Amino acid sequence: QSVLTQPPSASGTPGQRVAISCSGSNSNIGSNAVHWYQQIPGAAPKLLIYNTDQRPSGVPDRFSGSKSGTSASLAISGLQSEDEADYYCATWDDSLNGVFGGGTKLTVL
Amino acid sequence: EVQLLESGGGLVQPGNSLRLSCAVSGFTFRSYGMGWVRQAPGKGLEWLSAISASGGLTYYSDSVRARFTISRDNAKNTLYLQMSSLRADDTAIYYCAKGRTSGGASNSHDYWGQGTLVTVSS
Repeated sequence: QSVLTQPPSASGTPGQRVAISCSGSNSNIGSNAVHWYQQIPGAAPKLLIYNTDQRPSGVPDRFSGSKSGTSASLAISGLQSEDEADYYCATWDDSLNGVFGGGTKLTVL
Repeated sequence: EVQLLESGGGLVQPGNSLRLSCAVSGFTFRSYGMGWVRQAPGKGLEWLSAISASGGLTYYSDSVRARFTISRDNAKNTLYLQMSSLRADDTAIYYCAKGRTSGGASNSHDYWGQGTLVTVSS
């Protein structure tokens, strides 16, 4: 069981906006920055969002992140078929270890 | 171009040890924290360990704290993970990852290796 809670699956049609939630606690999301990773099956994870709402160079602005209290959210607008992947939230916990969400499998219908 | 190349994975019997290496290039290794993350077959990502740029600070998950040791050789641009008392549930792809900052305490990694498979089985 993961420390951070994500829905196991999400879906949308091309062009739609999809949001993926990530729930934690005061000791992790509540007091640390949140990061999001995208993982295509068979490939290494890719950093999508860091420090809650920052995009690395090369990541389209269709991807955005936010945080409120002990929950965070990844939003994908203008959904494209290439966005079909697994998405993981991540942060640091005040008990001095990293934590990941269980992952959300995004299907583009 | 930033590159991280893991090696050292393979088949190992339960109770035995294994050392993973991660050779990096394309960035100033001694300036960044590094970490190890694993993924069991068909499962999600699991954070294992992190180390600061100098190597002076190390962090571990509860699941590996007493069995795994992270280290780095800044002269050789190489990260290591010494694993002992291996169990069947340690079977996974092991990724090394570059931290975005000099410290190790963030779980924010902007570059990842391709992973090395460790299989623990008799």
